[in-house]
Amino acid sequence: QKEVEQNSGPLSVPEGAIASLNCTYSDRGSQSFFWYRQYSGKSPELIMSIYSNGDKEDGRFTAQLNKASQYVSLLIRDSQPSDSATYLCAVNIERVTFGIGTKLQVIP
Amino acid sequence: DAGVIQSPRHEVTEMGQEVTLRCKPISGHNSLFWYRQTMMRGLELLIYFNNNVPIDDSGMPEDRFSAKMPNASFSTLKIQPSEPRDSAVYFCASSRRTANTGELFFGEGSRLTVL
Repeated sequence: QKEVEQNSGPLSVPEGAIASLNCTYSDRGSQSFFWYRQYSGKSPELIMSIYSNGDKEDGRFTAQLNKASQYVSLLIRDSQPSDSATYLCAVNIERVTFGIGTKLQVIP
Repeated sequence: DAGVIQSPRHEVTEMGQEVTLRCKPISGHNSLFWYRQTMMRGLELLIYFNNNVPIDDSGMPEDRFSAKMPNASFSTLKIQPSEPRDSAVYFCASSRRTANTGELFFGEGSRLTVL
């Protein structure tokens, strides 16, 4: 079992819709969770961090954490074509471990 | 402020040659990470340093790989001899040493092609 699991996609959503990206992790002791965005040919960029159960909102982005179920998700409201990228889930399990990433395509 | 600086951006070499990748972390950051990214395996941590000291090198694939951090502003990742399966994008990242060390700042990466 991989430490951090994501569906590689692609996930296609129409412009203006909500994009929902999901991630599960294996280590119940994990305390820190992160979402990175990576445009094609570019480096990963941190967009959200979450450390406690519940929701954390930042603009159009909401991170959700459920430690009992060992999943973390990222919601993008009012999706824009500029949101088209690969979204990497990262979990701090003694060291920072990344999922394979989910490719999001926002269709105009 | 300058971000993480990596060089070279692109490297094409032949199998058996030595490859050296370089990284300058953000000033004031005292943790430095080397990652490798491929389509099949995603981002894999190779090694990380804290205050110039290697803390975890369990991700270094084999003895052909070595990394050094002689001071707080410079690190190298060396592959000798290189093999075609080493072809990947190598990222350097840095962070402040806090409990939340998942907040990484990445360089633009070095794309390595071994023929």
